[in-house]
Amino acid sequence: IAGITQAPTSQILAAGRRMTLRCTQDMRHNAMYWYRQDLGLGLRLIHYSNTAGTTGKGEVPDGYSVSRANTDDFPLTLASAVPSQTSVYFCASSPDRTSTDTQYFGPGTRLTVL
Amino acid sequence: QKEVEQNSGPLSVPEGAIASLNCTYSDRGSQSFFWYRQYSGKSPELIMSIYSNGDKEDGRFTAQLNKASQYVSLLIRDSQPSDSATYLCAVRMDSSYKLIFGSGTRLLVRP
Repeated sequence: IAGITQAPTSQILAAGRRMTLRCTQDMRHNAMYWYRQDLGLGLRLIHYSNTAGTTGKGEVPDGYSVSRANTDDFPLTLASAVPSQTSVYFCASSPDRTSTDTQYFGPGTRLTVL
Repeated sequence: QKEVEQNSGPLSVPEGAIASLNCTYSDRGSQSFFWYRQYSGKSPELIMSIYSNGDKEDGRFTAQLNKASQYVSLLIRDSQPSDSATYLCAVRMDSSYKLIFGSGTRLLVRP
């Protein structure tokens, strides 16, 4: 069982380019999340999805979009990358979005926007 | 005021000592509390969850929750160099089901 996979592992991107970070889970979890992690700021929620076909905005959604066409995949797209989007991006999932569920994290994507 | 606050550290303890990590939160309605461990360059991994006041023990780890004072702590007994990592406190605020993370405390266990 792989759990959660993310691709690419790392990427250097020119400002203004479009980029999609991929996330796939094989645990049949309903809820999925995208976080960014910056030094001194901890993990901040970008977007989430309670179940396939639904998405919602998190704490820092501007400049990012997501889709959830099926249970397993939850890609994050940067339409026009800016240097402030340089960060480590983590995808996570949980069985459901209830108060006692724990979240399981993927290995992360390190993105540098120049 | 941040919603979840942690001292960034580093907290340095000798091998075999008890490491005490603290976290305070602002939302009195919070019901679920988690401690994640994150090694440098790796993803967070869950080590403890706690939902009611008091202590919860799991091996060398003890989570303590005091809702009246709005703090949650993690004790690591018999600390090992392999415990050196950043420990993230996370709080689920039931009003929105969001999981809010603190910025983490870096723990260094000296051999």
